[in-house]
Amino acid sequence: GAGVSQSPRYKVAKRGQDVALRCDPISGHVSLFWYQQALGQGPEFLTYFQNEAQLDKSGLPSDRFFAERPEGSVSTLKIQRTQQEDSAVYLCASSPGTWRGSYEQYFGPGTRLTVT
Amino acid sequence: DQQVKQNSPSLSVQEGRISILNCDYTNSMFDYFLWYKKYPAEGPTFLISISSIKDKNEDGRFTVFLNKSAKHLSLHIVPSQPGDSAVYFCAASALDSGAGSYQLTFGKGTKLSVIP
Repeated sequence: GAGVSQSPRYKVAKRGQDVALRCDPISGHVSLFWYQQALGQGPEFLTYFQNEAQLDKSGLPSDRFFAERPEGSVSTLKIQRTQQEDSAVYLCASSPGTWRGSYEQYFGPGTRLTVT
Repeated sequence: DQQVKQNSPSLSVQEGRISILNCDYTNSMFDYFLWYKKYPAEGPTFLISISSIKDKNEDGRFTVFLNKSAKHLSLHIVPSQPGDSAVYFCAASALDSGAGSYQLTFGKGTKLSVIP
């Protein structure tokens, strides 16, 4: 079956531009996570959705970062006024149950963002 | 302040031998641990997990050991195969701790190379 897909796979943005990164989770998955992975580092948690509700956004690094999942399926991570330090791979993951009920997360291939 | 540490950035092992990947953590609230495997240009893939109420979990060639008193876990792969060559991430969660319980905290990863 189809896994988690993300688009675009690669994005180059000039400093100051806004970007939108899309995540299509596995159909029916309740939980959706966004992570940021800098070069040579492990993924770092950004935010968590349970259906359309954003239950945890404590990992978003600044108010330039915004995520939504309006219908409880597709999610978009938006970064406004991009800075060079935003350059990273952005990973989306989904999970079939609520967080406490299903620990395994299925990751997409990521979007590599380069800010020049 | 790294709460999950993988101190070996890389490891080389002969095919057929045992691979042992190590992970240390500092947060005593962590009660669930996972290993993920990542190939280049792909998202991490769940491998195996262990709850803090256990000290060992096996799945085929993969075994995870947890030493709570030492705040240490390890992943054993026996026998190692060339297809196991990938980056392995250790991750931890504090499922029952309340605030922040949605997050997976990852280590920086260990690159395993299995030599034919």
